[in-house]
Amino acid sequence: GAGVSQSPRYKVAKRGQDVALRCDPISGHVSLFWYQQALGQGPEFLTYFQNEAQLDKSGLPSDRFFAERPEGSVSTLKIQRTQQEDSAVYLCASSLTVAGSYEQYFGPGTRLTVT
Amino acid sequence: GIQVEQSPPDLILQEGANSTLRCNFSDSVNNLQWFHQNPWGQLINLFYIPSGTKQNGRLSATTVATERYSLLYISSSQTTDSGVYFCAVERRGYQKVTFGIGTKLQVIP
Repeated sequence: GAGVSQSPRYKVAKRGQDVALRCDPISGHVSLFWYQQALGQGPEFLTYFQNEAQLDKSGLPSDRFFAERPEGSVSTLKIQRTQQEDSAVYLCASSLTVAGSYEQYFGPGTRLTVT
Repeated sequence: GIQVEQSPPDLILQEGANSTLRCNFSDSVNNLQWFHQNPWGQLINLFYIPSGTKQNGRLSATTVATERYSLLYISSSQTTDSGVYFCAVERRGYQKVTFGIGTKLQVIP
């Protein structure tokens, strides 16, 4: 069906607020990834799900970041007590099968600005 | 972790010119992809190419896994080719994908 979708596309948060970013992967895709892209940089890996299992969260920058994918489809990235350094584009990607064996497709991203 | 180096960092081309972008990586990989990030930030898949050569219209790519590099060729460049080109690799045995810093391409009329 359609590609990967993300919402909201833009989010402005005051420092200290909590935010939740949503990702709808391509239907039937097993693997889901979150990335953070700072201005002028390449995307940096945050976390990886295979179905509902979070298999790698080594890229999450602090314990204020939390991701879930409870039913193995839609995923939410939550950032608590946002800080200015959290300002970035957050990208979601999905792939058909387990990581390492199929290409990733990216959503349009959510641009988060923390003021 | 794995290192991914892309060159050149910046490139300005006259419309119609050809170019080669390079990606070097420091370890064996399961997966290598080339992406184009357009001015609106969307990452567009160009090639999934852990080894070998592929062509798609004016673009082609070659990965020599044993020598740990990949090349992206753009022929007869157009202004719509402008943007940032990323190489992304997945190290063998790991799920984590590492991106290079990208090559920023500007094609001028």
